[in-house]
Amino acid sequence: EVQLVQSGAEVKKPGESLRVSCQGSGYSFTSYWIHWVRQMPGKGLEWMGRIDPRDSYTNYSPSFQGHVTISLDMSISTAYLQWNSLEASDTAIYYCTIVGLNTGTHYDAFDIWGQGTMVTVSS
Amino acid sequence: SSDLTQDPAVSVALGQTGRITCQGNSLRKYSVSWYQQKPGQAPVIVMYGKNKRPSGIPDRISGSGSGNIASLTIAGAQAEDEADYYCASRDTSGNHWVFGGGTKLTVL
Repeated sequence: EVQLVQSGAEVKKPGESLRVSCQGSGYSFTSYWIHWVRQMPGKGLEWMGRIDPRDSYTNYSPSFQGHVTISLDMSISTAYLQWNSLEASDTAIYYCTIVGLNTGTHYDAFDIWGQGTMVTVSS
Repeated sequence: SSDLTQDPAVSVALGQTGRITCQGNSLRKYSVSWYQQKPGQAPVIVMYGKNKRPSGIPDRISGSGSGNIASLTIAGAQAEDEADYYCASRDTSGNHWVFGGGTKLTVL
């Protein structure tokens, strides 16, 4: 079974660092870009950025560039989303998702999703 | 703001047909996909490539579109179709992805 399993909920203070994870299984991890999507409380989905497991190439939405880092640990088929200094406005659910495993990469569709990681940043 | 524009809310009577639209210049060049999200759950893909339905999605859900507008149609709407629906595509540069603002579908 194809799965993306994310790390558990986090509660942090402003200024703290954080890394959330997304482990893939049941498919060829190197074959599909991994994307991260934010959903703030009561709000819509926002694309943050993506990483190519073949070469670790990343690109980010201008809204998130410089505030988060996406990385990989290929040895454990895991992608990460990292903050060096959290802000209260980072409070959200974060989803990892991959494009094209079931739908074909031509269609750019997010067809497998992780369960989401709730991040709460509060003093 | 989003490069893809959706109506915030659509209502449909039980058993009737509802349509959700998504408008954006990138749709002229890049493929659109649609996602259903119910409260407390991760999004689920319900349509891609304008009119391709993933396995397990009922055929009362269909997609269409032309030019810079894509549509998701739910025929014979059921209570379980009540959810938020998002469209997505690459942006006009092709380097990033974008989501529409989402449409809350209410089945009356």
